[in-house]
Amino acid sequence: DAKTTQPNSMESNEEEPVHLPCNHSTISGTDYIHWYRQLPSQGPEYVIHGLTSNVNNRMASLAIAEDRKSSTLILHRATLRDAAVYYCIIRGTGNTGKLIFGQGTTLQVKP
Amino acid sequence: GAVVSQHPSWVICKSGTSVKIECRSLDFQATTMFWYRQFPKQSLMLMATSNEGSKATYEQGVEKDKFLINHASLTLSTLTVTSAHPEDSSFYICSARRRLDGELFFGEGSRLTVL
Repeated sequence: DAKTTQPNSMESNEEEPVHLPCNHSTISGTDYIHWYRQLPSQGPEYVIHGLTSNVNNRMASLAIAEDRKSSTLILHRATLRDAAVYYCIIRGTGNTGKLIFGQGTTLQVKP
Repeated sequence: GAVVSQHPSWVICKSGTSVKIECRSLDFQATTMFWYRQFPKQSLMLMATSNEGSKATYEQGVEKDKFLINHASLTLSTLTVTSAHPEDSSFYICSARRRLDGELFFGEGSRLTVL
């Protein structure tokens, strides 16, 4: 599965949008882009995933570059409860569920 | 939504003892379960892949005799840390792959402290 690169940390103000970038330049055509987040002392939580088109759900939006070599997770209005480590993971279609976690981005939300 | 439960959520044990951690898929069958370990301020590290009814597949550098994994049913996998030492203190997390559609769900984690 393709490797991902994310900034180590980001800060946001409460109620403002947050854009979390992820680079995955070695992604292949059938690989899905998954985002998980991990709150302190909890297991990872699924956020969103996509293949080519932008995706929206109740938690976030995922914007995928046209060449698919990068993507951005968008939290439309950050809350204090969104403070977590966000992981961008590439998962191939043949992947049995074995996820390789990078370092992720630690998001701090300031009141 | 699908739920994966780990038990215990936290455990403290003495050095040299063995500790068993359970991972259960509460409302779905899981063909495969995965065990991760996470040290403070680090990312999750995959330890092993567990398939129901067969031997677990361990990642490079993970001692299979130290971390015993049993996956006896489609809803339960267990991780036993044998002869635990303080360096085994960590946050252990499991994930389960739903048989129906291949979706993944994570447990809430189990914190092990070895004194």
